[in-house]
Amino acid sequence: AQSVTQLDSQVPVFEEAPVELRCNYSSSVSVYLFWYVQYPNQGLQLLLKYLSGSTLVKGINGFEAEFNKSQTSFHLRKPSVHISDTAEYFCAVVGSNDYKLSFGAGTTVTVRA
Amino acid sequence: DAGVIQSPRHEVTEMGQEVTLRCKPISGHDYLFWYRQTMMRGLELLIYFNNNVPIDDSGMPEDRFSAKMPNASFSTLKIQPSEPRDSAVYFCASSPDNDEKLFFGSGTQLSVL
Repeated sequence: AQSVTQLDSQVPVFEEAPVELRCNYSSSVSVYLFWYVQYPNQGLQLLLKYLSGSTLVKGINGFEAEFNKSQTSFHLRKPSVHISDTAEYFCAVVGSNDYKLSFGAGTTVTVRA
Repeated sequence: DAGVIQSPRHEVTEMGQEVTLRCKPISGHDYLFWYRQTMMRGLELLIYFNNNVPIDDSGMPEDRFSAKMPNASFSTLKIQPSEPRDSAVYFCASSPDNDEKLFFGSGTQLSVL
């Protein structure tokens, strides 16, 4: 089975500042990794995913994440945030031999002017 | 395509009542998932279907919960009898075959009083 730990439950950040959301996973098999975003009063949307290949993955809205197998991490970054990036962010993992996504507890990002 | 459609958006009910949540997946998607989101537990997978057949229901919390998928375009999640601790947001998601990308509905906010 796989599991995900999101190390920060709340991340306040000022507009135009960079942000990093930390995600660590555990698994006995190779994994696929995802970041989902949930804007207020909306469902989940896929931000980006890592399946294979380049360890640096670029997603929508200027976000990117880096898969680090040795550190079992998949941290999400954005160099300059906007007020509209205020949302809940979920890291998720699925084993290559499975179909069941395991989600982290989520990180609330609040962007202030 | 309209995406994954869930109904109702909000449900308020009294303890002991039966609650039925509905989901229409994206046409052509062979996989359908039911997730529950709470502050305490984050996102939890309850059950998922492949080609209308339940594959893994190990996440269903107790016998009060049941899910059906009578055809490729409709699924229900039923709670009978409902309890206050069932209050959560319930998400339905679908996915095409052999593709890890999940498409989420907007969720049903359930409040059991």
